[in-house]
Amino acid sequence: GAVVSQHPSRVICKSGTSVKIECRSLDFQATTMFWYRQFPKKSLMLMATSNEGSKATYEQGVEKDKFLINHASLTLSTLTVTSAHPEDSSFYICSASGGQAIGDTQYFGPGTRLTVL
Amino acid sequence: AQKVTQAQTEISVVEKEDVTLDCVYETRDTTYYLFWYKQPPSGELVFLIRRNSFDEQNEISGRYSWNFQKSTSSFNFTITASQVVDSAVYFCAREGGADGLTFGKGTHLIIQP
Repeated sequence: GAVVSQHPSRVICKSGTSVKIECRSLDFQATTMFWYRQFPKKSLMLMATSNEGSKATYEQGVEKDKFLINHASLTLSTLTVTSAHPEDSSFYICSASGGQAIGDTQYFGPGTRLTVL
Repeated sequence: AQKVTQAQTEISVVEKEDVTLDCVYETRDTTYYLFWYKQPPSGELVFLIRRNSFDEQNEISGRYSWNFQKSTSSFNFTITASQVVDSAVYFCAREGGADGLTFGKGTHLIIQP
């Protein structure tokens, strides 16, 4: 099956620093990658959608300048949380899809748990 | 976004019992897709099934089965002869029209030995 990796799996940082999370599709080319955020015992909330070589499309309420997304290749997307604050602490999950059509299955990475002190 | 409702927040059953997880969705679209994902304690979402709106045929995969009923906008998931390893949070999701993948709130399934 399709495999998506994320790195790091856990990160603890001080308030005000920036953190970069990588998402890689290991055995397929991901035309589209998605970034989600999940609070404890809550559902996944889509933050943004990115297509390779294009600017990411952010969901309403998500700060573009705070959550920088780069999708530089068909196998790699990065999410950078800039000037992180404790309220940014969360579980961040990426997913990847081989197509851009509605209904294309998304395969999820294992997630990154971010703790901002 | 059109909502996905998983009314069961938590279900606890004893191993070997059958259990059904409910999913009801809203839709104004003719074409849409439904999914189920499993999220074990490790956190990684595992894809279980994808179904498009034109295919109402029920599906069985081992101990898992899915019942898609367009008339009631439901896409229920049944685990037969449950096992402890089935313990996880299960998410139902919908994608279609202008909406991306929209998740329900999840059902926490606890299988007791």
